[in-house]
Order: sequence, then structure tokens, then C-alpha cells
Amino acid sequence: DTGVSQDPRHKITKRGQNVTFRCDPISEHNRLYWYRQTLGQGPEFLTYFQNEAQLEKSRLLSDRFSAERPKGSFSTLEIQRTEQGDSAMYLCASSASMRAREQYFGPGTRLTVT
Amino acid sequence: QKEVEQNSGPLSVPEGAIASLNCTYSDRVSQSFFWYRQYSGKSPELIMSIYSNGDKEDGRFTAQLNKASQYVSLLIRDSQPSDSATYLCAVRGETSYDKVIFGPGTSLSVIP
Repeated sequence: DTGVSQDPRHKITKRGQNVTFRCDPISEHNRLYWYRQTLGQGPEFLTYFQNEAQLEKSRLLSDRFSAERPKGSFSTLEIQRTEQGDSAMYLCASSASMRAREQYFGPGTRLTVT
Repeated sequence: QKEVEQNSGPLSVPEGAIASLNCTYSDRVSQSFFWYRQYSGKSPELIMSIYSNGDKEDGRFTAQLNKASQYVSLLIRDSQPSDSATYLCAVRGETSYDKVIFGPGTSLSVIP
């Protein structure tokens, strides 16, 4: 059983460019979460999917951020017109069901906006 | 007011000692509590989950939960240098789609 995978692991981009990250959850997990983490802070919730439905988005998620999970399997997180403040580790996690409450994280994508 | 609070540390303990990590939370309806370990530059790794009051032991780790005091702790017995990491406390309520809120983490350093 493979864990959560994320691609790319590192991304350096210039301010104003668009970037897209991919997350593949653990195969039998129907719940998928995106978090952002900056240095010295805990992961900050961004958005959550149950199967293909996006059920919650953080108020912190500006309209430059969009996430999809079109077939209820992998998910993408796109950031448009990146800003230096977007530099962070973007983490994806998955969990199996309502009763299986534990979330398991992927290795993360580290974004640096120059 | 922050929803999940932890002492940022660093907490330093000698090898072989007990490390005690504490966490308080503000949402009284919270039902699920987790401890994650995060090494520098890596992603969080789940090490313990606890759902009911009392103690839960797993190897050298013991999680303690007191819902009345809105307090959860993690004890690490026989601390090893490999335990040096940041420990994140996470809390999940039973409202709004099981969102998990993380604390800022406590940095633990185990001195050989």
C-alpha cells in the first residue's frame, strides 16, 4: 500500500506565474485535504474533498487558489498570479472515511516565489 | 484567540528522560485529538490518536486527554536523539466536515 504522493516536490517560480500541484491519495481513501505550512507554524487548512465534491474552503483561500478532484482520485491545487507570500510548503493529506479520522500526509510541495 | 495552543519550545531533555509535551484547545465539542511528529524539512507523521478521556499508550509514547480541562498531552519515555523533532498537536471537531486544526508545534531536542 503506497502512501500519499505529491508532485512536484519543489517548485521555484517567478512572481506572477501560475503553478499547479498534484496530490495522489492513498488508493482507498475518499477524503482529501490540502494544507499550507510556513516556517514555525502548524499546517493551515485550505480545502477538503469528499470524493469529487469540494465540501469546504478556508476563508484564507483567495480567489487565486483553486482546487479540483475531478474523478474523486487525484487532486490538483492551482495558484494563479503567484505572490511572494505564497511561498510555503503545500501539504496534501487523505483519510478513509468519516469513522477513520486519522489523516496521513504526503511529502509536500515546497513552493518558492522569487 | 488561537484554537490550539502549544508551547513553542525548544524543549530540551537528556537522552533517556521523559519528554512531556502539552496542548490546550478552545473548542469544547472537539472529539478527536492527534499528535504528529515533523522532522525538519519533512511532512507531518501521525504518531498517536486519542478519542476518549484518559491515557493511551503505544510503545514509548503515551497520549493523555482531559476533555473537561480541554487539555491533551504526549509523553515520550526513554527519549532518544532520533525523537528530536517538532511535535504538532491537532484537534478535530464534530462540526463542519471534520476539519483538523493544528497547533504551532513544540520543538523537542533530545541531548545525547
